[in-house]
Amino acid sequence: EVQLLESGGGLVQPGGSLRLSCAASGFTLSNYAMTWVRQPPGKGLEWVSAISDSGAYTYYAGSVKGRFTISRDTSKNTLYLQMNSLRDEDTAVYYCATVYCTGGWCYYPNIQQWGQGTLVTASS
Amino acid sequence: QSVLTQPPSASGTPGQRVTISCSGSSPNIGTNDVYWYQQLPGTAPKLLIYRSNQRPSGVPDRFSGSRSGTSASLAISGLRPEDEGDYHCATWDDSLSGVVFGGGTKLTVL
Repeated sequence: EVQLLESGGGLVQPGGSLRLSCAASGFTLSNYAMTWVRQPPGKGLEWVSAISDSGAYTYYAGSVKGRFTISRDTSKNTLYLQMNSLRDEDTAVYYCATVYCTGGWCYYPNIQQWGQGTLVTASS
Repeated sequence: QSVLTQPPSASGTPGQRVTISCSGSSPNIGTNDVYWYQQLPGTAPKLLIYRSNQRPSGVPDRFSGSRSGTSASLAISGLRPEDEGDYHCATWDDSLSGVVFGGGTKLTVL
């Protein structure tokens, strides 16, 4: 069974840093493209970042580019999101999820399996 | 301000048919397929429709999607109380080189 377990969320002051982890089980992370999607309290979904199945390509939303970094450790079967220079508006539940790929193409809006999410609160 | 525009709310009575719209522009819905997600209260989103009008295995045929021009819509027929929740549309945006979501629509079953 495919499972994703996010961790690392918490309260951080604006300007601070946090690293989120997403432990994958039931599948091999290196065979999948992965993505992070966030949801501010009471609001809609916002795509944050994605990494290709090969790990060679990364993509970021304009609102986080230059501040967030997506990466993975295939030996630990874990996906990461390093978040620096956090702002109030980064406060959200952060979900990691798998992306559908086929025939050498990854369809990043096609988000398959989701974790349960971890809450990040950037506030003084 | 979301790139894709959805109505903030929709409602219907059990058994009715409701439609939720998702409006975009040329670089996103005008060029790429649309995906719909269902988010029931207190849970993570779940893929409901892919490639604009395809249902994943296990999704009832009461749910259907369509796309025309720069707009898309999700239709739910035979509305049930358990359909109450939030519905989100998403697609790829060629100009932004990223995934864009709508603001989400809260569906209430009266």
